Amino acid sequence: AQSVTQPDIHITVSEGASLELRCNYSYGATPYLFWYVQSPGQGLQLLLKYFSGDTLVQGIKGFEAEFKRSQSSFNLRKPSVHWSDAAEYFCAVASSGTYKYIFGTGTRLKVLA
Amino acid sequence: DTGVSQDPRHKITKRGQNVTFRCDPISEHNRLYWYRQTLGQGPEFLTYFQNEAQLEKSRLLSDRFSAERPKGSFSTLEIQRTEQGDSAMYLCASSNTGGSGQPQHFGDGTRLSIL
Repeated sequence: AQSVTQPDIHITVSEGASLELRCNYSYGATPYLFWYVQSPGQGLQLLLKYFSGDTLVQGIKGFEAEFKRSQSSFNLRKPSVHWSDAAEYFCAVASSGTYKYIFGTGTRLKVLA
Repeated sequence: DTGVSQDPRHKITKRGQNVTFRCDPISEHNRLYWYRQTLGQGPEFLTYFQNEAQLEKSRLLSDRFSAERPKGSFSTLEIQRTEQGDSAMYLCASSNTGGSGQPQHFGDGTRLSIL
């Protein structure tokens, strides 16, 4: 069965510091991978997605993610965090032939001024 | 593109009552999804529609839950005889027709609280 693991429940970084949020997936073939961000009381906003091709994908708000097949990972990065990035981040996977997403449990990001 | 709209944003009700939520997807999107998100968890898939056809339902969708999309546009999710465990955020999403990689666009959700 497919699964997504986000090992870090909470992460705290200082404003201006770099960020990496981890995501590991379990799936036999190459999955479709997504990162979403959720602010308190809001829905989910798509940051970026990976289907195939270049393993480094660029998203909105200065985020990028790298797909590493050998590690079954799809980590999200940002070189310099802004206070407005404080939110919860979800990694999700979808497999070919099904349209439902499997989400991780999320990583809550806190940004220190 | 007005985004996915959900109504109401918040619903408080007593245990045992019925509740109904509405979702209006992005107008050109054929697929519509319902997810449930409990505190501290990621969203969990409930069901999805392609046009008016309900094509997949999760085992989470007990017989107290029913979803409809009668004209292939808006959708409703009804919960009958609500229980404490139904307290959650109910999220609706929509996407274009295409492969599994079509990104889903989410609404702001309906937060259900059972007293």
